[in-house]
Amino acid sequence: NAGVTQTPKFRVLKTGQSMTLLCAQDMNHEYMYWYRQDPGMGLRLIHYSVGEGTTAKGEVPDGYNVSRLKKQNFLLGLESAAPSQTSVYFCASSYTDRLQETQYFGPGTRLLVL
Amino acid sequence: KQEVTQIPAALSVPEGENLVLNCSFTDSAIYNLQWFRQDPGKGLTSLLLIQSSQREQTSGRLNASLDKSSGRSTLYIAASQPGDSATYLCALGGNDMRFGAGTRLTVKP
Repeated sequence: NAGVTQTPKFRVLKTGQSMTLLCAQDMNHEYMYWYRQDPGMGLRLIHYSVGEGTTAKGEVPDGYNVSRLKKQNFLLGLESAAPSQTSVYFCASSYTDRLQETQYFGPGTRLLVL
Repeated sequence: KQEVTQIPAALSVPEGENLVLNCSFTDSAIYNLQWFRQDPGKGLTSLLLIQSSQREQTSGRLNASLDKSSGRSTLYIAASQPGDSATYLCALGGNDMRFGAGTRLTVKP
């Protein structure tokens, strides 16, 4: 099992450009999450999904969109990147609600917006 | 809103020392508390999960405790090793999930 994988590992964008981050899991998990991690701060939830075809907003959803067309994939999109979106992005998944059990994390995508 | 604090932000100890990492929180209405390990440039790995009805959990050299009344959790690492060097984060599961900023641990040979 590969677990949770993320593509790409690192990306540099110019302000206003768009991009999509891909998360894939092979554990048949229903729940998937996108977080961002900034220096000196804990992880913050951007969006999450409780199953194929469903998405919901997290703590910091502005400037991001997501899609869960297939159960194993969760995409995070930036339509018009801003320097404030420079961060490390983590995807995670779990069988049930993350409030009830542990999550499995991907290795992260480091994004720099100039 | 739940606030989670981890102090100190960084800690350096010699190999073999027993150590305690601290996590404090403001809202005791939680489902569980988890401790994660994060290696540089990597994702988070779950170490221990304590349900709200439990007081502690143990795994190998790690022991985590939970005291909801005082809003505190500790992660005890026995006989620390250089391989324990990493950032340790706590996360509270309640109405939402809140992560601490982490304690960066360095264990020197």
